[in-house]
Amino acid sequence: DAKTTQPTSMDCAEGRAANLPCNHSTISGNEYVYWYRQIHSQGPQYIIHGLKNNETNEMASLIITEDRKSSTLILPHATLRDTAVYYCIVRAPNTGGFKTIFGAGTRLFVKA
Amino acid sequence: AAGVIQSPRHLIKEKRETATLKCYPIPRHDTVYWYQQGPGQDPQFLISFYEKMQSDKGSIPDRFSAQQFSDYHSELNMSSLELGDSALYFCASSSLGEPQHFGDGTRLSIL
Repeated sequence: DAKTTQPTSMDCAEGRAANLPCNHSTISGNEYVYWYRQIHSQGPQYIIHGLKNNETNEMASLIITEDRKSSTLILPHATLRDTAVYYCIVRAPNTGGFKTIFGAGTRLFVKA
Repeated sequence: AAGVIQSPRHLIKEKRETATLKCYPIPRHDTVYWYQQGPGQDPQFLISFYEKMQSDKGSIPDRFSAQQFSDYHSELNMSSLELGDSALYFCASSSLGEPQHFGDGTRLSIL
């Protein structure tokens, strides 16, 4: 699995957009970018994933650069409940149970 | 929507005892993964099963074993427990091409 680099921590004001960057310069052509988050001591929660096009769902938007070497997760209107560790992961889609390697992630603090 | 169910939620054991953790995947998911998360650490992959066969293996100690049953639920068996085995153990499930979805974990404490 390709390695990813994320900031250790970030702050965001409640109600503002939170933009979380991720570098994945060694990503392979068949690897997707996945984002998960983990609220304290809960199970990691799937947020969004994409290959090369920008994606949006009810939780967030994912912007992937044209060269696919970096991406940004956008939480459009952060709330206090969005305080969590956010993990950017690159891997091929599940084709029979290959592991997910969690890196250090970004600890996002949303402040009132 | 149904989620991944793990049991028990909390488990307290003493050193050298054994423990069995159970995972019930989301219906129609054919793949199960186990992760270990120590205090202040990121989740670490242990082992996975696809269609009841082991599909990938990570840093799982030899004292641990796991299997996936015909109904796709999985069990993680842990023997000769050590203090360092105290951690959160997460199970995740997926189906072909879909993202993994995680359970809420089992918190194992070794006294």
